[in-house]
Amino acid sequence: GAVVSQHPSWVICKSGTSVKIECRSLDFQATTMFWYRQFPKQSLMLMATSNEGSKATYEQGVEKDKFLINHASLTLSTLTVTSAHPEDSSFYICSARDNENYGYTFGSGTRLTVV
Amino acid sequence: GESVGLHLPTLSVQEGDNSIINCAYSNSASDYFIWYKQESGKGPQFIIDIRSNMDKRQGQRVTVLLNKTVKHLSLQIAATQPGDSAVYFCAEGGGADGLTFGKGTHLIIQP
Repeated sequence: GAVVSQHPSWVICKSGTSVKIECRSLDFQATTMFWYRQFPKQSLMLMATSNEGSKATYEQGVEKDKFLINHASLTLSTLTVTSAHPEDSSFYICSARDNENYGYTFGSGTRLTVV
Repeated sequence: GESVGLHLPTLSVQEGDNSIINCAYSNSASDYFIWYKQESGKGPQFIIDIRSNMDKRQGQRVTVLLNKTVKHLSLQIAATQPGDSAVYFCAEGGGADGLTFGKGTHLIIQP
């Protein structure tokens, strides 16, 4: 089946630093990938839609300059949390949409803790 | 605004019994619905999906029912097992957009 690899699975960083999270589709191509954020005991909230070769589309209230998205190939999208603050601590999850069958496959998530 | 929601935040069932998790959606234009299972600290795991041109779909031990008249979606899990304990989310999708997730139901399987 379709597999999405997300790295790192967890990261701890200091306030003010930047963290990059990678999302790879291993056995399919994905023109479109999605980034979600999930706070404890809450649902997943869509942050942005990543499109290969073009600018990402951000949901209302998500700062594009803080959450930088790059989708340079059909199998890789990255999310960089810039100048991280403790309130950015969350579970970040990516999803890739298969170009062939339009199925959504999720990564295993990244637990970000900003101290 | 449009949203996808769940009726019960926690559902406790005896091992071996059947479970039914419900979901209400409000976007009548939605044409694709998915149920996901999420275990603690992990990403969502696909369970089953259904398109709006269907009202029932069955998988292994799971059945999804869609009632478009009342905008209601349900997930039935037969003969629940300890490994079924998790949070279950319904999600709505369609077109090129990302998915809109419901609030989640925590399913607890009691021995």
